[in-house]
Amino acid sequence: LAKTTQPISMDSYEGQEVNITCSHNNIATNDYITWYQQFPSQGPRFIIQGYKTKVTNEVASLFIPADRKSSTLSLPRVSLSDTAVYYCLVEDRGSTLGRLYFGRGTQLTVWP
Amino acid sequence: GAGVSQSPSNKVTEKGKDVELRCDPISGHTALYWYRQSLGQGLEFLIYFQGNSAPDKSGLPSDRFSAERTGGSVSTLTIQRTQQEDSAVYLCASSLGGAFDEQYFGPGTRLTVT
Repeated sequence: LAKTTQPISMDSYEGQEVNITCSHNNIATNDYITWYQQFPSQGPRFIIQGYKTKVTNEVASLFIPADRKSSTLSLPRVSLSDTAVYYCLVEDRGSTLGRLYFGRGTQLTVWP
Repeated sequence: GAGVSQSPSNKVTEKGKDVELRCDPISGHTALYWYRQSLGQGLEFLIYFQGNSAPDKSGLPSDRFSAERTGGSVSTLTIQRTQQEDSAVYLCASSLGGAFDEQYFGPGTRLTVT
Protein backbone atom coordinates (compact mmCIF):
# COMPACT_ATOMS: atom_id res chain seq x y z
CA LEU A 1 0.00 0.00 0.00
CA ALA A 2 1.49 3.29 -1.11
CA LYS A 3 2.02 5.74 1.72
CA THR A 4 1.44 9.44 1.20
CA THR A 5 3.28 12.39 2.71
CA GLN A 6 1.94 15.93 2.67
CA PRO A 7 2.62 19.10 4.66
CA ILE A 8 0.85 19.35 7.98
CA SER A 9 -0.27 22.91 7.42
CA MET A 10 -0.28 25.77 4.91
CA ASP A 11 -1.37 29.39 5.05
CA SER A 12 -2.62 31.59 2.25
CA TYR A 13 -4.56 34.77 1.61
CA GLU A 14 -7.80 35.30 -0.20
CA GLY A 15 -7.47 35.44 -3.96
CA GLN A 16 -4.18 33.55 -4.12
CA GLU A 17 -3.56 30.23 -5.82
CA VAL A 18 -2.70 27.41 -3.43
CA ASN A 19 -0.70 24.35 -4.38
CA ILE A 20 -0.54 21.39 -2.01
CA THR A 21 1.96 18.71 -2.93
CA CYS A 22 1.71 15.10 -1.89
CA SER A 23 4.49 12.52 -2.15
CA HIS A 24 3.72 8.89 -2.91
CA ASN A 25 7.04 7.34 -3.83
CA ASN A 26 5.79 3.75 -3.76
CA ILE A 27 2.77 4.26 -5.96
CA ALA A 28 1.85 1.16 -7.96
CA THR A 29 0.59 0.73 -11.49
CA ASN A 30 -3.01 0.22 -10.41
CA ASP A 31 -3.10 3.15 -8.01
CA TYR A 32 -5.18 6.27 -8.54
CA ILE A 33 -4.62 9.56 -6.69
CA THR A 34 -7.60 11.10 -4.95
CA TRP A 35 -8.04 14.24 -2.89
CA TYR A 36 -10.70 14.85 -0.26
CA GLN A 37 -11.59 18.03 1.64
CA GLN A 38 -12.88 18.12 5.21
CA PHE A 39 -14.44 21.06 7.01
CA PRO A 40 -14.70 21.08 10.81
CA SER A 41 -17.51 18.91 12.15
CA GLN A 42 -18.20 17.45 8.71
CA GLY A 43 -17.26 14.29 6.87
CA PRO A 44 -14.70 14.45 4.04
CA ARG A 45 -15.85 15.45 0.58
CA PHE A 46 -14.40 14.20 -2.70
CA ILE A 47 -12.58 16.91 -4.66
CA ILE A 48 -10.73 15.34 -7.56
CA GLN A 49 -9.11 12.15 -8.78
CA GLY A 50 -6.50 11.38 -11.40
CA TYR A 51 -4.09 8.80 -12.74
CA LYS A 52 -1.56 10.81 -14.73
CA THR A 53 -0.90 14.22 -16.30
CA LYS A 54 -3.53 16.81 -15.45
CA VAL A 55 -7.14 16.70 -14.36
CA THR A 56 -9.31 19.76 -13.92
CA ASN A 57 -12.82 20.22 -12.61
CA GLU A 58 -14.87 23.15 -11.40
CA VAL A 59 -13.19 23.08 -8.00
CA ALA A 60 -9.51 22.28 -8.52
CA SER A 61 -6.76 20.97 -10.75
CA LEU A 62 -4.58 17.96 -10.11
CA PHE A 63 -1.11 17.76 -11.61
CA ILE A 64 0.64 14.40 -11.76
CA PRO A 65 4.16 14.14 -13.24
CA ALA A 66 5.18 11.29 -15.48
CA ASP A 67 6.79 9.24 -12.69
CA ARG A 68 3.60 9.64 -10.57
CA LYS A 69 5.65 9.75 -7.37
CA SER A 70 4.01 13.00 -6.37
CA SER A 71 0.92 15.01 -7.15
CA THR A 72 -0.12 18.62 -6.65
CA LEU A 73 -3.58 19.83 -5.84
CA SER A 74 -4.09 23.36 -7.13
CA LEU A 75 -6.85 25.57 -5.78
CA PRO A 76 -7.29 28.77 -7.85
CA ARG A 77 -8.10 32.04 -6.11
CA VAL A 78 -8.90 30.65 -2.66
CA SER A 79 -11.47 32.21 -0.38
CA LEU A 80 -11.99 32.04 3.37
CA SER A 81 -14.38 29.14 2.83
CA ASP A 82 -11.56 27.02 1.45
CA THR A 83 -10.10 26.77 4.94
CA ALA A 84 -10.19 23.02 5.56
CA VAL A 85 -8.11 19.88 5.85
CA TYR A 86 -7.08 18.39 2.52
CA TYR A 87 -6.28 14.69 2.29
CA CYS A 88 -4.24 13.00 -0.42
CA LEU A 89 -5.03 9.33 -0.94
CA VAL A 90 -3.72 6.59 -3.16
CA GLU A 91 -6.34 4.03 -4.11
CA ASP A 92 -5.33 0.56 -5.20
CA ARG A 93 -7.69 -0.31 -8.02
CA GLY A 94 -6.02 -3.68 -8.30
CA SER A 95 -7.51 -4.62 -4.96
CA THR A 96 -11.04 -5.74 -4.30
CA LEU A 97 -11.13 -3.64 -1.16
CA GLY A 98 -12.89 -0.30 -1.13
CA ARG A 99 -11.42 1.21 1.99
CA LEU A 100 -9.78 4.61 1.84
CA TYR A 101 -6.56 5.28 3.73
CA PHE A 102 -6.43 8.80 5.07
CA GLY A 103 -3.31 10.32 6.58
CA ARG A 104 -3.40 13.41 8.78
CA GLY A 105 -3.92 15.71 5.83
CA THR A 106 -2.90 19.32 5.27
CA GLN A 107 -4.64 22.02 7.26
CA LEU A 108 -5.09 24.96 4.88
CA THR A 109 -5.89 28.28 6.50
CA VAL A 110 -6.96 31.15 4.28
CA TRP A 111 -6.60 34.62 5.77
CA PRO A 112 -8.46 37.78 4.69
CA GLY B 1 -31.58 14.49 -2.71
CA ALA B 2 -30.79 13.52 0.85
CA GLY B 3 -27.23 12.77 1.77
CA VAL B 4 -25.86 10.28 4.27
CA SER B 5 -27.35 10.80 7.70
CA GLN B 6 -26.07 9.61 11.05
CA SER B 7 -27.57 9.51 14.50
CA PRO B 8 -27.07 10.56 17.15
CA SER B 9 -24.87 13.52 16.30
CA ASN B 10 -23.36 13.41 19.78
CA LYS B 11 -23.25 10.62 22.33
CA VAL B 12 -21.81 10.73 25.83
CA THR B 13 -21.60 7.43 27.64
CA GLU B 14 -19.99 5.97 30.70
CA LYS B 15 -17.10 3.58 30.45
CA GLY B 16 -18.33 0.01 30.23
CA LYS B 17 -21.68 0.81 28.63
CA ASP B 18 -22.72 -0.34 25.16
CA VAL B 19 -23.54 2.16 22.40
CA GLU B 20 -25.22 1.91 19.01
CA LEU B 21 -24.54 4.34 16.19
CA ARG B 22 -26.81 4.51 13.18
CA CYS B 23 -26.12 5.31 9.54
CA ASP B 24 -28.65 5.91 6.78
CA PRO B 25 -26.85 5.80 3.43
CA ILE B 26 -27.93 7.51 0.24
CA SER B 27 -30.80 5.59 -1.32
CA GLY B 28 -29.59 3.19 -3.98
CA HIS B 29 -26.00 3.10 -2.79
CA THR B 30 -24.82 -0.47 -2.51
CA ALA B 31 -21.59 0.12 -0.60
CA LEU B 32 -21.38 1.38 2.98
CA TYR B 33 -18.30 2.16 5.05
CA TRP B 34 -17.58 3.01 8.67
CA TYR B 35 -14.51 5.05 9.67
CA ARG B 36 -13.26 6.46 12.95
CA GLN B 37 -11.49 9.79 13.40
CA SER B 38 -9.73 10.59 16.63
CA LEU B 39 -8.94 14.18 17.56
CA GLY B 40 -6.39 15.66 15.17
CA GLN B 41 -5.96 12.39 13.31
CA GLY B 42 -6.84 11.10 9.89
CA LEU B 43 -9.62 8.62 9.30
CA GLU B 44 -9.26 4.98 10.32
CA PHE B 45 -11.17 2.40 8.28
CA LEU B 46 -13.38 0.09 10.34
CA ILE B 47 -15.71 -1.98 8.15
CA TYR B 48 -17.08 -2.16 4.58
CA PHE B 49 -20.39 -3.58 3.33
CA GLN B 50 -20.99 -4.27 -0.36
CA GLY B 51 -24.44 -5.47 -1.37
CA ASN B 52 -25.17 -8.91 -0.01
CA SER B 53 -21.53 -9.94 0.24
CA ALA B 54 -19.88 -10.74 3.55
CA PRO B 55 -18.58 -7.51 5.06
CA ASP B 56 -14.89 -6.65 5.23
CA LYS B 57 -14.35 -6.43 8.98
CA SER B 58 -10.59 -6.23 8.84
CA GLY B 59 -10.46 -2.70 10.26
CA LEU B 60 -12.39 -3.36 13.45
CA PRO B 61 -9.99 -2.69 16.34
CA SER B 62 -11.34 -5.33 18.72
CA ASP B 63 -14.15 -7.84 19.20
CA ARG B 64 -16.03 -5.19 21.15
CA PHE B 65 -16.87 -3.59 17.81
CA SER B 66 -19.48 -5.02 15.47
CA ALA B 67 -21.68 -3.73 12.69
CA GLU B 68 -24.62 -4.90 10.70
CA ARG B 69 -26.49 -3.68 7.69
CA THR B 70 -30.14 -4.57 7.42
CA GLY B 71 -31.90 -4.93 4.09
CA GLY B 72 -28.93 -3.52 2.27
CA SER B 73 -29.66 -0.07 3.64
CA VAL B 74 -29.41 1.16 7.22
CA SER B 75 -26.34 0.17 9.21
CA THR B 76 -25.68 0.06 12.93
CA LEU B 77 -22.24 0.12 14.52
CA THR B 78 -22.23 -1.32 18.03
CA ILE B 79 -19.48 -0.82 20.57
CA GLN B 80 -19.72 -3.02 23.63
CA ARG B 81 -18.14 -2.24 27.01
CA THR B 82 -16.91 1.14 25.81
CA GLN B 83 -13.48 2.36 26.82
CA GLN B 84 -12.13 5.91 26.97
CA GLU B 85 -9.95 5.24 23.93
CA ASP B 86 -13.13 4.65 21.92
CA SER B 87 -13.84 8.38 22.12
CA ALA B 88 -13.78 9.69 18.55
CA VAL B 89 -15.95 10.81 15.67
CA TYR B 90 -17.47 7.85 13.87
CA LEU B 91 -18.09 8.56 10.19
CA CYS B 92 -20.23 6.61 7.79
CA ALA B 93 -19.92 6.82 4.01
CA SER B 94 -21.75 5.25 1.10
CA SER B 95 -21.01 4.87 -2.59
CA LEU B 96 -23.14 4.02 -5.57
CA GLY B 97 -21.28 0.98 -6.72
CA GLY B 98 -18.38 -0.99 -5.46
CA ALA B 99 -14.91 -0.16 -4.42
CA PHE B 100 -13.40 3.13 -5.59
CA ASP B 101 -16.60 4.91 -6.51
CA GLU B 102 -16.75 8.34 -4.91
CA GLN B 103 -17.63 8.01 -1.25
CA TYR B 104 -20.20 10.35 0.28
CA PHE B 105 -19.71 10.93 3.97
CA GLY B 106 -22.22 11.68 6.68
CA PRO B 107 -21.64 14.33 9.35
CA GLY B 108 -20.45 11.78 11.89
CA THR B 109 -21.34 10.85 15.45
CA ARG B 110 -19.10 12.31 18.16
CA LEU B 111 -18.72 9.67 20.87
CA THR B 112 -17.36 10.65 24.25
CA VAL B 113 -16.68 7.94 26.82
CA THR B 114 -16.34 9.28 30.36
